[in-house]
Amino acid sequence: EDQVTQSPEALRLQEGESSSLNCSYTVSGLRGLFWYRQDPGKGPEFLFTLYSAGEEKEKERLKATLTKKESFLHITAPKPEDSATYLCAVQSYNNNDMRFGAGTRLTVKP
Amino acid sequence: NAGVTQTPKFQVLKTGQSMTLQCAQDMNHNSMYWYRQDPGMGLRLIYYSASEGTTDKGEVPNGYNVSRLNKREFSLRLESAAPSQTSVYFCASSLAGFTDTQYFGPGTRLTVL
Repeated sequence: EDQVTQSPEALRLQEGESSSLNCSYTVSGLRGLFWYRQDPGKGPEFLFTLYSAGEEKEKERLKATLTKKESFLHITAPKPEDSATYLCAVQSYNNNDMRFGAGTRLTVKP
Repeated sequence: NAGVTQTPKFQVLKTGQSMTLQCAQDMNHNSMYWYRQDPGMGLRLIYYSASEGTTDKGEVPNGYNVSRLNKREFSLRLESAAPSQTSVYFCASSLAGFTDTQYFGPGTRLTVL
């Protein structure tokens, strides 16, 4: 069965303190790995899709990378407005489903 | 463009009551989805509709029914609500299938007493 585990559950950073969020996955044939951002009381907002090991994508202070077993979301010099829950999800070739991790709740203090 | 809209935003039901959650999208997407989100757990797929006229079960379909009314609208029905269905429900849509970017609505917070 496809599984997604995100770590840490919660992360507190000072403004400007770079760090990484981890998404470990087990899937039989990865079709795509997705990163979303979710603000409190709102729906998830799409950030990135990665399709194959070695792929990287960037957007402002965020950079997502992918290996055969995990993905990292690197946050460089974060700002308070980057505070949110970051969700990872995988889709496999073998089933029509999206499996989400429980998320990492990021807090950036000024 | 409103994107994906959901009604209602909040709802409180008593055990055994029924209700329908409404979802509509104005992006001309073919595929639509219903998820539930519970504390400490990831979003879980309840049902999806790959295209108008089709619906399929997701990971947690028990206790729910869906209707793809037309290309724009996809509703989720709870026939006899149970406390275990207390959750936040999200509707999403994508152009064509799971590998396309899914756009989410703002959610419906449902409490079943």
